[in-house]
Amino acid sequence: AQSVTQLDSQVPVFEEAPVELRCNYSSSVSVYLFWYVQYPNQGLQLLLKYLSGSTLVKGINGFEAEFNKSQTSFHLRKPSVHISDTAEYFCAVTEENNDMRFGAGTRLTVKP
Amino acid sequence: DTGVSQNPRHKITKRGQNVTFRCDPISEHNRLYWYRQTLGQGPEFLTYFQNEAQLEKSRLLSDRFSAERPKGSFSTLEIQRTEQGDSAMYLCASSPMGGVTDTQYFGPGTRLTVL
Repeated sequence: AQSVTQLDSQVPVFEEAPVELRCNYSSSVSVYLFWYVQYPNQGLQLLLKYLSGSTLVKGINGFEAEFNKSQTSFHLRKPSVHISDTAEYFCAVTEENNDMRFGAGTRLTVKP
Repeated sequence: DTGVSQNPRHKITKRGQNVTFRCDPISEHNRLYWYRQTLGQGPEFLTYFQNEAQLEKSRLLSDRFSAERPKGSFSTLEIQRTEQGDSAMYLCASSPMGGVTDTQYFGPGTRLTVL
């Protein structure tokens, strides 16, 4: 069965700095990969998803992620973060069976 | 599009009591999911419905848990004889067609505290 590891539980960065949130997955078959963001007291919101095709996926709010099959990774990046990006970020993977598996999450804190 | 709504937002109950949560998906979304999220963890899949049919249940869904979606619209999740280990955030999500590539839209969750 598929699984997801988010390597950093917390990532503090200063405003306007670049950020990378790391995600590794394990699966024996083709996968679909997702990044969700959860703002305080709100539901999870999809940032971006990789289904097929180009390995560089662009999402909302200036985020992008790159699918690397050889390294089984799907790291999330943003070149310049804002205070408003402070949130919990979840990487998720699913195979054809519709059972989506989430990582434990990375708390991004953007400091002024 | 008013989004996925869940009620109540918070529920405090005593061990041994039964609780029921409701989820109203986005109108005309065929698929509805339930997840559980404990502190410091990501959501864990519990079950999902395609219209009114419950198609898959996780091993996490013990016999004390039951979910329904009688008319293919709203869904309820009932926990009988609650235990302290049931304390968690219960999330509902819906998607339009139900394929693995569909975006799931999440509700704000119901936070359950079992005393």
